[in-house]
Amino acid sequence: QVQLKESGPGLMQPSETLSLTCTVSGFSLTSNGVGWVRQPLGKGLVWMGTIWAGGSTNYNSAVQSRLSISRDTSKSQVFLKMNSLQPEDTGTYYCARHGGGPFAYWGQGTLVTVSS
Amino acid sequence: DIVMTQGALPNPVPSGESVSITCRSSKSLLYSDGKTYLNWYLQRPGQSPQLLIYWMSTRASGVSDRFSGSGSGTDFTLKISGVEAEDVGVYYCQQGLEFPLTFGSGTKLEIK
Repeated sequence: QVQLKESGPGLMQPSETLSLTCTVSGFSLTSNGVGWVRQPLGKGLVWMGTIWAGGSTNYNSAVQSRLSISRDTSKSQVFLKMNSLQPEDTGTYYCARHGGGPFAYWGQGTLVTVSS
Repeated sequence: DIVMTQGALPNPVPSGESVSITCRSSKSLLYSDGKTYLNWYLQRPGQSPQLLIYWMSTRASGVSDRFSGSGSGTDFTLKISGVEAEDVGVYYCQQGLEFPLTFGSGTKLEIK
C-alpha cells in the first residue's frame, strides 16, 4: 500500500539548514509528485512546495528563496532543504503524494523545533 | 494568492445531527476543464490530515458516504450527514487551482 515517512532532526538552531527526507513506498516517484506541507504548532496547514513526476518543482513564494526540494528515484526518497531557519519555522512537516490534484496520501509528519 | 475562508460550527454538535462546513475562495476555482479544484481534508486529533473530497464533490477512496461536497465556483460546502464520534477533528478546505496552493484556516468539529 501507499506509504510515506518523514525523517530528520527534531531540534535545530536558528540560522541552520534543515534537511528532511521523505521515504515512500507503494508508488513510483516517476509517476507521482510529492509535496511538503508545514503545520506550525496548533495552527493550520501551509503548502511549501512540490516535486513533480517529471522532476520539476514548484515552491511557495513565501519560502522559495530558502527552500529546495529534490529526489532520488532509485531510493524512493524526496528531500527538503531549507536554510536560514528561524523560530517561526517550528512545526510539523508532512510529505504527501501529490498527483497534480489533491494530497491523497500523507506521511505521519516530523516535528521540527527551531530554538537556541 | 487565493484566500480560503472557512466558517465555524456551533460546537459541540449532538451525535447524529447533520452539519455543513462552509468554505469560500477569493477566486473562482472552476477551471476550463470543467473541474472545480477544491479539496476537503479531515485532521483527527494527533493524526495527519486525510483526504475526504476532491474536485469539490468526488469522495476519496474509502470515505464514508455520510460525507458529501458541493458548491459553486467560489462557495463550497462539506456536509456530514449524521455526525459520529470518529468525525471529531479539524476540517480544512484547499484550493488546487493555482500556486501557491492554499488551505483554509480549519473548522473544528466537537461532538456531544
